[in-house]
Amino acid sequence: AQSVTQLDSQVPVFEEAPVELRCNYSSSVSVYLFWYVQYPNQGLQLLLKYLSGSTLVKGINGFEAEFNKSQTSFHLRKPSVHISDTAEYFCAVSRFTGNQFYFGTGTSLTVIP
Amino acid sequence: DADVTQTPRNRITKTGKRIMLECSQTKGHDRMYWYRQDPGLGLRLIYYSFDVKDINKGEISDGYSVSRQAQAKFSLSLESAIPNQTALYFCATSGRKTGGLAGALPDTQYFGPGTRLTVL
Repeated sequence: AQSVTQLDSQVPVFEEAPVELRCNYSSSVSVYLFWYVQYPNQGLQLLLKYLSGSTLVKGINGFEAEFNKSQTSFHLRKPSVHISDTAEYFCAVSRFTGNQFYFGTGTSLTVIP
Repeated sequence: DADVTQTPRNRITKTGKRIMLECSQTKGHDRMYWYRQDPGLGLRLIYYSFDVKDINKGEISDGYSVSRQAQAKFSLSLESAIPNQTALYFCATSGRKTGGLAGALPDTQYFGPGTRLTVL
């Protein structure tokens, strides 16, 4: 079975400061990894994904994430956040052999002016 | 126009009523999903369908049923709504386009805008 753990439910950060949102997963098989963002009153949209290849993945809006297989982690980072980054962020995994997605419980990022 | 649409966007109903939430997509994807979102619990999978003739239960299917009326349409029904089904419901699509190359990687999910359901 797969599970996804987002260790921080809420992360407040000042504008222009760096941020890291943590995600760990457990799986007995290889997986694909995703980060989604949900802005207030909207559906989820893809930030970035890891399917194969380079373990450092760059996404939209200046976000990046690094896949660490030995630590089963896929942490999301941004070197300098903006007010508009205030949103809920979800980590998700999908097995190679299927297309079910398993989502974490989400991290609420609040950027403080 | 949005690729994944959900109707209604908001619904308030009473305990015991039958409710249907509808989802349509124009992305040509073969796979469709229904999730519910609750504060602090993230998204949980209710049902998913890999094709018109393929319906699968997710982790929280009790109290729900689905119908895949066509490749582009996937509806979720609450036969007898109860208050703990109050939540935000999302439809999503993914997978290769209908008639696309076999063996394509499973890929990104595309979400609709959500339906906020309140059961009194």
